[in-house]
Amino acid sequence: DAGITQSPRHKVTETGTPVTLRCHQTENHRYMYWYRQDPGHGLRLIHYSYGVKDTDKGEVSDGYSVSRSKTEDFLLTLESATSSQTSVYFCAISLRDGAYEQYFGPGTRLTVT
Amino acid sequence: GQQLNQSPQSMFIQEGEDVSMNCTSSSIFNTWLWYKQDPGEGPVLLIALYKAGELTSNGRLTAQFGITRKDSFLNISASIPSDVGIYFCAGQLNSGYSTLTFGKGTMLLVSP
Repeated sequence: DAGITQSPRHKVTETGTPVTLRCHQTENHRYMYWYRQDPGHGLRLIHYSYGVKDTDKGEVSDGYSVSRSKTEDFLLTLESATSSQTSVYFCAISLRDGAYEQYFGPGTRLTVT
Repeated sequence: GQQLNQSPQSMFIQEGEDVSMNCTSSSIFNTWLWYKQDPGEGPVLLIALYKAGELTSNGRLTAQFGITRKDSFLNISASIPSDVGIYFCAGQLNSGYSTLTFGKGTMLLVSP
């Protein structure tokens, strides 16, 4: 158990509304990641962070922003949700610098109507 | 982005059978990882591989890092119903980045 929690676990929202998903870790791990998972696409990286205020884009970053103001929290924001952002969102962490193994949270199922 | 080709897409087998699945790429990978995902949960790391030719086991699971560094294989022996799930491979490119590339998964169904 890597001590990762995600909130909310389920959310339904309307097109055009802002949405923020939270990933929280109980250890001081430096690297945190946001993925989305869709049928036929597997897991795709949205953004990742390598420290407080240090973030970078992944493969599918358009329409998403992130913030990391403290080590334990990594927030994913959809500024104006669209139906194409209906997905399951996973947060992941690496347990130590230089390690490529990632450990995943339980996921957030987001539906945009 | 880089692509990992994972096959087969799905498998339906009888309990007790052995299972093989693989991931291939045109790119060289530094690290290979295998995950299993149960319905409604996040992926769980099964095996991590770090060197070409490496063979690593975790119970009934055995994974190998291909000698060309462009592929990896996962075998499950004597399958049981709780092996049901989606298995993902993931690789870290030999280019210094800390991010992973994931295959699209193999769905395994096991009939009792």
